[in-house]
Amino acid sequence: DGGITQSPKYLFRKEGQNVTLSCEQNLNHDAMYWYRQDPGQGLRLIYYSQIVNDFQKGDIAEGYSVSREKKESFPLTVTSAQKNPTAFYLCASSIMGPRNYGYTFGSGTRLTVV
Amino acid sequence: QKEVEQDPGPLSVPEGAIVSLNCTYSNSAFQYFMWYRQYSRKGPELLMYTYSSGNKEDGRFTAQVDKSSKYISLFIRDSQPSDSATYLCAMKAGGYQKVTFGTGTKLQVIP
Repeated sequence: DGGITQSPKYLFRKEGQNVTLSCEQNLNHDAMYWYRQDPGQGLRLIYYSQIVNDFQKGDIAEGYSVSREKKESFPLTVTSAQKNPTAFYLCASSIMGPRNYGYTFGSGTRLTVV
Repeated sequence: QKEVEQDPGPLSVPEGAIVSLNCTYSNSAFQYFMWYRQYSRKGPELLMYTYSSGNKEDGRFTAQVDKSSKYISLFIRDSQPSDSATYLCAMKAGGYQKVTFGTGTKLQVIP
């Protein structure tokens, strides 16, 4: 079955530590996205990529970094510069073009700072 | 002002009730309108989408778009406890624009 796989499901980070969240898709989608979800704030776009080796900052990119070396993979690194990283992180993918309303989401990674 | 406004709820209804979920928006360029359903601790899943104005029905769900009022609605008939989830509206302009999401409305259907 096609879909998006995010791992791990739960992640604990110590202060000052970088952590990487994995996102893999087998839908052959060109575009991939990272969102952060906090209670009462909805989905906020961190980074997105429309093609391999290219990505753009979203609304809250500070303290995060991404790479897109393969079409299927779009890992997100939460760096120590991100002061409030505790949140639910969602990866999504879509086709490109006018009909890209159909985002497919992964099951999310819940990151907690300890 | 946010581009998309959605009442966060929570909305609590008895089983079998008709549920109305709504969003307003300010960007007149939006042409595609979607509703996503998100169960607790899961990613959102696309429930319905509509292009431009009008109604679209799928089983117990009806999506309605009124572009003149910049208002969209999702109606759920004969609501079930399994409908308990957070519902996010989403919309985008034409071309290669990104999707803009509402903050979500939490719905609880009580047996």
